[in-house]
Amino acid sequence: GQQVMQIPQYQHVQEGEDFTTYCNSSTTLSNIQWYKQRPGGHPVFLIQLVKSGEVKKQKRLTFQFGEAKKNSSLHITATQTTDVGTYFCAGEKAGANSKLTFGKGITLSVRP
Amino acid sequence: NAGVMQNPRHLVRRRGQEARLRCSPMKGHSHVYWYRQLPEEGLKFMVYLQKENIIDESGMPKERFSAEFPKEGPSILRIQQVVRGDSAAYFCASSPLMETQYFGPGTRLTVL
Repeated sequence: GQQVMQIPQYQHVQEGEDFTTYCNSSTTLSNIQWYKQRPGGHPVFLIQLVKSGEVKKQKRLTFQFGEAKKNSSLHITATQTTDVGTYFCAGEKAGANSKLTFGKGITLSVRP
Repeated sequence: NAGVMQNPRHLVRRRGQEARLRCSPMKGHSHVYWYRQLPEEGLKFMVYLQKENIIDESGMPKERFSAEFPKEGPSILRIQQVVRGDSAAYFCASSPLMETQYFGPGTRLTVL
């Protein structure tokens, strides 16, 4: 079956450092989505990428979809303590009836 | 516009009892998804429903679990004869026609 991988599961950074994480799918995707979940909270939609090579920015967050539509990256510039949480990528396979396959997520902690 | 609502937020059951989890999608959303999240794990897809129809239940355990989304009222995820391994957070998400999924706050199920 389709697999979406996020490695590592945890990353610790010093406030102000940049942070990049990657998401890899075993199959070509129609689109990829990123979600953020704060401790004790629920996943909150951040962005959806659809086109090959697409890059989208949200303030200090930059999201990119790979050319082959099998991987994606999230880059955070100058991390802040408010960036703490678990970031999930979720891939939708073409023709998959809108079923999303989530990665295990990466939990980011930021040292003030 | 109220978001996705789930109740109860916390549910405690003894082994062998039944658990009923409810999800009211956002207004205008006709697609509902249920996910299970174990501690330190990602979100595992369980089932995708539209009004009165199960579209994809490939993530549902074959026994004890069922889901419905009636014409009127919330979507229900039902777990019969709960076991300790069913303890998890159960999230519901809704979307308009095959677009971004919006998550509810989740139901944290604890089986004693």
